[in-house]
Amino acid sequence: EAEVAQSPRYKITEKSQAVAFWCDPISGHATLYWYRQILGQGPELLVQFQDESVVDDSQLPKDRFSAERLKGVDSTLKIQPAELGDSAMYLCASSFLVQGDGAFFGQGTRLTVV
Amino acid sequence: GQQVMQIPQYQHVQEGEDFTTYCNSSTTLSNIQWYKQRPGGHPVFLIQLVKSGEVKKQKRLTFQFGEAKKNSSLHITATQTTDVGTYFCAAARGSTLGRLYFGRGTQLTVWP
Repeated sequence: EAEVAQSPRYKITEKSQAVAFWCDPISGHATLYWYRQILGQGPELLVQFQDESVVDDSQLPKDRFSAERLKGVDSTLKIQPAELGDSAMYLCASSFLVQGDGAFFGQGTRLTVV
Repeated sequence: GQQVMQIPQYQHVQEGEDFTTYCNSSTTLSNIQWYKQRPGGHPVFLIQLVKSGEVKKQKRLTFQFGEAKKNSSLHITATQTTDVGTYFCAAARGSTLGRLYFGRGTQLTVWP
């Protein structure tokens, strides 16, 4: 069964350091999402791609976060510099259609900033 | 911020009891999706509702979309311990490029 791949699964970093997360969506899925989930809360949308284009990044803290999907396939989310409040689960999801299909989530990257 | 409000935040039931979670929006939604997240896991897509007044069933789960497309519910009949987890609604509105916003979720605990 096709899955969304994310790496690393866990990341511990010191504050002010840079950190990057990678996501490989299900083959053929044009829409890719990056979410942040704090324990006990729902996933918060950070950025949404349609192919290689950013559809929405209004919730992305652009002073420190960046995301790219250069070839419209895999994607990278970067944080520089990391802050203590960035500790959370970072989830990547993909879907086949722009709207109308369920999103398939990866296992996520658990980030701890110390 | 959150586009959909979900209640209750927590629900504890004894195995065999029914469970319902509600999702409400102040604006009309294009569609609504439901997800389940097991403890320590990632959200898993359950279903999507698109039409006004739509009702869909998956075994013991019944999903409804309100006539005004501003609210939705998920009802589980005769809960089992395997139903434990957090149930999220997620909604998109507006154009076909609408964002998929998640509610805060309802955390279901089922006692044997």
